[in-house]
Amino acid sequence: KQEVTQIPAALSVPEGENLVLNCSFTDSAIYNLQWFRQDPGKGLTSLLLIQSSQREQTSGRLNASLDKSSGRSTLYIAASQPGDSATYLCAGTNQAGTALIFGKGTTLSVSS
Amino acid sequence: DTGVSQNPRHKITKRGQNVTFRCDPISEHNRLYWYRQTLGQGPEFLTYFQNEAQLEKSRLLSDRFSAERPKGSFSTLEIQRTEQGDSAMYLCASSLSLSEAFFGQGTRLTVV
Repeated sequence: KQEVTQIPAALSVPEGENLVLNCSFTDSAIYNLQWFRQDPGKGLTSLLLIQSSQREQTSGRLNASLDKSSGRSTLYIAASQPGDSATYLCAGTNQAGTALIFGKGTTLSVSS
Repeated sequence: DTGVSQNPRHKITKRGQNVTFRCDPISEHNRLYWYRQTLGQGPEFLTYFQNEAQLEKSRLLSDRFSAERPKGSFSTLEIQRTEQGDSAMYLCASSLSLSEAFFGQGTRLTVV
């Protein structure tokens, strides 16, 4: 059974810091890897998708990488801002593409 | 708004009552997923549709839960004889084949 671990569970940083969120899978046989943001009481907002043939994706201050051989992904946030405060979730698509398997998330707090 | 739409946003029901939630996916998306999320946890997969066919169901989906996607368009998730343990956020997502998944804002269910 695929399990996803996200480290750290929570992170507090001052504004302007660069930070890295980690995600690992027990079964490296994932198809796609997607990072989401979730604000309290809200749905999920897609941030980045790394498709099966890719190893990295960038969007603005966000960069996500995927190492399928080790089953690990990282989300890098540059120059963090208070508006980045949210829970960040990673999810892998199983090979059949029938489900996204999620971690519990990393709750980020950026203080001004 | 061309995103994933879920209704209602909030539902309070008495234990033992039946409830039904609706999800309208992005119009051209052939894949639709239902998830359940409780506080502090990542979303848990419930079921997956490809067009109108329900192709995968989680063991979490007890016989009190049923989902449909008639004509491969909108989907409904019904919970019969609700229990307090059913209280959660129910999330719907859609995607075009194995591409990026987009989530709705969720339906928050409270069983009293």
